[in-house]
Amino acid sequence: EVQLVESGGGLIQPGGSLRLSCTASGFSVGSKFMAWVRQAPGKGLEWVSVIYIDGSTYHADSVKGRFTISRDNYKNTLYLQMNSLRVEDTAVYYCAKNLGPGSHFDYWGRGTLVTVSS
Amino acid sequence: NFMLTQPHSVSESPGKTVTISCTRSSGNILSNYVQWYQQRPGSAPTTVMYEDHQRPSGVPDRFSGSIDSSSNSASLTISGLKTEDEADYYCQSYDKTNRWVFGGGTKLTVL
Repeated sequence: EVQLVESGGGLIQPGGSLRLSCTASGFSVGSKFMAWVRQAPGKGLEWVSVIYIDGSTYHADSVKGRFTISRDNYKNTLYLQMNSLRVEDTAVYYCAKNLGPGSHFDYWGRGTLVTVSS
Repeated sequence: NFMLTQPHSVSESPGKTVTISCTRSSGNILSNYVQWYQQRPGSAPTTVMYEDHQRPSGVPDRFSGSIDSSSNSASLTISGLKTEDEADYYCQSYDKTNRWVFGGGTKLTVL
């Protein structure tokens, strides 16, 4: 059974750093397209970052240069390193598996809340 | 870069049919598939339609998807509305500059 479990969220001050983790089971993160999608309180979904099977990574303009997506195939875990955090980065961060460009996110984790506030 | 625009909210009575639209701001709606997600409060999204009109297993055939190239939009239609269909619905597509794009979401109220 496919499962995605996020961790690492919490309260952090503006300018701080945080690393989110997403532990996968039921498949190998290195063999699938994996992404982070966030949702600010009361707002819609926003794609954040993706890592392709070949290791290529892409980020939304809103986080480019501050966030980095990566994975550890041995630990079967996806990461999101978030630096220079801003108040507007406050959101629930979901880890999601994707079937590839043009396709859908077929599995999602339950999300982890990141709150950026002084 | 394109955007996907959805109505903020729609409402309809149980047993009726509702259609939620998703309009692409630039570029051809046919150039990449459109997906639809349902999100209930406090839960992660789940797919109710993918590749424009494909239903995942477990999604009732009351849900259907379509594309209208004349209006450059996609639509999700739910027939025989049930109270359990009340949720937020998001469309999503892909930009060949390696971006995944979500619509702003539509709150469906079944009253």
